[in-house]
Amino acid sequence: DGGITQSPKYLFRKEGQNVTLSCEQNLNHDAMYWYRQDPGQGLRLIYYSQIVNDFQKGDIAEGYSVSREKKESFPLTVTSAQKNPTAFYLCASSISGIALTDTQYFGPGTRLTVL
Amino acid sequence: KQEVTQIPAALSVPEGENLVLNCSFTDSAIYNLQWFRQDPGKGLTSLLLIQSSQREQTSGRLNASLDKSSGRSTLYIAASQPGDSATYLCAALHGSSNTGKLIFGQGTTLQVKP
Repeated sequence: DGGITQSPKYLFRKEGQNVTLSCEQNLNHDAMYWYRQDPGQGLRLIYYSQIVNDFQKGDIAEGYSVSREKKESFPLTVTSAQKNPTAFYLCASSISGIALTDTQYFGPGTRLTVL
Repeated sequence: KQEVTQIPAALSVPEGENLVLNCSFTDSAIYNLQWFRQDPGKGLTSLLLIQSSQREQTSGRLNASLDKSSGRSTLYIAASQPGDSATYLCAALHGSSNTGKLIFGQGTTLQVKP
């Protein structure tokens, strides 16, 4: 069963803590992405990676960090520097991230709440 | 800076009605435009992708059109059903051909009443 998995589905964080959101794909896609979704707003790009061991900042990277050590995995760490981290986080992947015909496939999301 | 807007934010229609969802973008230099569906608390599912050289794409009861010159795309849903109830998002691929980014609209939440 191919697809993208995200865990956990719900995550609660105390202020000042770092937390890591997991994203795994078995689609053999080169490119992976992290988005943030707030109520009434569209998705905003946090980070993306077009190939293993390489990643670029998106539009709202401050307070977040990522790694891409394996093709299948693209974890996102929400650090204490992120001022307003409560949101719905979505991970996506695409075949190459370069070809203009690629569509992005999304995981089910992780809802992060800061207590 | 590319901006993508979807109006209205919410729409309620009776079952069986044909409807149109609107998406507008400020910069016509896009590579493609995609329509996604999102069910409450879930991820996004790709519905249709229109290349910049195309005018429309069809899948079943869905038809998406693209008019780059006017900065508009529409998603037409024929014979709507309660199962079509969801949030629909459009996204424009903008930027260079190697590092293009999807710019999303805020979404239109559709409710189809039985």
